Amino acid sequence: GDSVTQMEGPVTLSEEAFLTINCTYTATGYPSLFWYVQYPGEGLQLLLKATKADDKGSNKGFEATYRKETTSFHLEKGSVQVSDSAVYFCALNSRTGANNLFFGTGTRLTVIP
Amino acid sequence: DTGVSQNPRHKITKRGQNVTFRCDPISEHNRLYWYRQTLGQGPEFLTYFQNEAQLEKSRLLSDRFSAERPKGSFSTLEIQRTEQGDSAMYLCASSLGGEADTQYFGPGTRLTVL
Repeated sequence: GDSVTQMEGPVTLSEEAFLTINCTYTATGYPSLFWYVQYPGEGLQLLLKATKADDKGSNKGFEATYRKETTSFHLEKGSVQVSDSAVYFCALNSRTGANNLFFGTGTRLTVIP
Repeated sequence: DTGVSQNPRHKITKRGQNVTFRCDPISEHNRLYWYRQTLGQGPEFLTYFQNEAQLEKSRLLSDRFSAERPKGSFSTLEIQRTEQGDSAMYLCASSLGGEADTQYFGPGTRLTVL
């Protein structure tokens, strides 16, 4: 079945460090891929998405490229800020049936000044 | 457009009681989803509506759970005879559908069963 495997956390970085959070997926067909972010005390927010192979999603300095050959969608940011501290979830939508999302377990990022 | 809203934000109940949560989706969205999120995990799909029709239910949705979307607008999720294992965050999401379907989430209702 469809599933997402996400890099386990927590991850602690100093401000301005480079961030990578790994995400790989298993899916039948051609899924859409997403990164959602959950800030402390808030709901899930869409961070970025990609709907087909080689697409790059980007938002707020974060990027992720849909790699079909490696079934991956790794999240990167060149220079993190304290305000980026949150839990990040990788997710896929298989685009069949209910179109429901399958989520990874989440990666908690803490950025220290 | 105020986004997806959910009420209440928090609910504490005793084991065996019934609880009901409400979700108001983004107004033009015809798809509505319920998910459950436990501590340290990602959200898991519970059920899905297209307009007023409930089209899919996860095996996670036991007989004690029922969801409705009577007029294709807001939705309710009821849990009967709550158990401690029902303690979780219940999330609602809505979307327009289409090829690049993107789901937008509400803030969630945190349920604690004592």
